[in-house]
Amino acid sequence: ILNVEQSPQSLHVQEGDSTNFTCSFPSSNFYALHWYRWETAKSPEALFVMTLNGDEKKKGRISATLNTKEGYSYLYIKGSQPEDSATYLCAVNAGGTSYGKLTFGQGTILTVHP
Amino acid sequence: DTAVSQTPKYLVTQMGNDKSIKCEQNLGHDTMYWYKQDSKKFLKIMFSYNNKELIINETVPNRFSPKSPDKAHLNLHINSLELGDSAVYFCASSQEWTNNQPQHFGDGTRLSIL
Repeated sequence: ILNVEQSPQSLHVQEGDSTNFTCSFPSSNFYALHWYRWETAKSPEALFVMTLNGDEKKKGRISATLNTKEGYSYLYIKGSQPEDSATYLCAVNAGGTSYGKLTFGQGTILTVHP
Repeated sequence: DTAVSQTPKYLVTQMGNDKSIKCEQNLGHDTMYWYKQDSKKFLKIMFSYNNKELIINETVPNRFSPKSPDKAHLNLHINSLELGDSAVYFCASSQEWTNNQPQHFGDGTRLSIL
């Protein structure tokens, strides 16, 4: 069973702070990693899909990096705003016999205080 | 236009009943998924169809039967509902099944068994 862990479980920051959180996965089982943003009462929305070691992706104030050799990805938010408050989900596809299947972490709940 | 739409949004029913949840996507995607959000808030894959063919079938009781009449629709039928089936069920779609593509989620169906 693939284990995808996200830390911290929750995070409170002030408006304007920059923040980051982690997604960890077994480095021996990797094909692709997804990041999703999930606002309360809405559906998860895709942020990034990453496949290559050393990949860096950016969307506005949000960026992500990927290290497949050591089995982690970081998500960064620069200058957090209250509208960034959401649960950030990471999901990994392990390839092999799990090809096509995403395993999700439990998410990091971010609250940005004005 | 909603890209991935599920109906109904809420479903309250008695134990032992049979119910269906419908999902439609208008994105022209080849692959569709059903996820269950468990009591710990994890999203767990249940089924995936690619071009109307079943490609992922996780360890789900056979009371759950997905049906894909065409590649834009993936319905979930549940027989003999049990208390443990209470959860939020999410439908999703992606362009193809390789997991290099982001998944687009519906808003979820909250199923409550009395």
